[in-house]
Amino acid sequence: DARVTQTPRDKVTEMGQEVTMRCQPILGHNTVFWYRQTMMQGLELLAYFRNRAPLDDSGMPKDRFSAEMPDATLATLKIQPSEPRDSAVYFCASGLVQGELFFGEGSRLTVL
Amino acid sequence: ILNVEQSPQSLHVQEGDSTNFTCSFPSSNFYALHWYRWETAKSPEALFVMTLNGDEKKKGRISATLNTKEGYSYLYIKGSQPEDSATYLCASNSNSGYALNFGKGTSLLVTP
Repeated sequence: DARVTQTPRDKVTEMGQEVTMRCQPILGHNTVFWYRQTMMQGLELLAYFRNRAPLDDSGMPKDRFSAEMPDATLATLKIQPSEPRDSAVYFCASGLVQGELFFGEGSRLTVL
Repeated sequence: ILNVEQSPQSLHVQEGDSTNFTCSFPSSNFYALHWYRWETAKSPEALFVMTLNGDEKKKGRISATLNTKEGYSYLYIKGSQPEDSATYLCASNSNSGYALNFGKGTSLLVTP
């Protein structure tokens, strides 16, 4: 069964530490999304890649967040330095352009 | 960024009731409308992807309609069952960027 894999599933860290979340999209998918689940905003779009090129990261705080796709099998979301307000569940999703998205199980981040 | 609005925010119905939710989205440069079902402690799963004005899709007891001219979509559940309890998300994107933006969802609770 093809699925999107995210690591870590759970991460507890202290304020100021660097956090890297990883996502392995489904083989053959050419779009990758990073979303953050918050109580107020629901699923908030952070970054969007198509064919590994970043097309939309307007929802991402640029001062501390960065997203990359070093190759077709790996997408990363990095927070440096992390802050308590970054605590949330971060979802990665992949798909084909204009097709349905397949979501990973999410990475729950807690910043103390 | 497209503003996708969903109503109601939450809904509580009895088993056997039929129900419907609304998703509204900006109609300019519309490309596609997605519906996802999100169960607690799981990841969102796609129900429908719709692109054509007047489109209607059905999966079991769940169906959806699309009006791209006025910018709304309805999701219908016929004869609700407790296992239908979930948050139902809609998302829309435009042909200018394709990033998929989600509404905040409608939380459905079906009690026996």
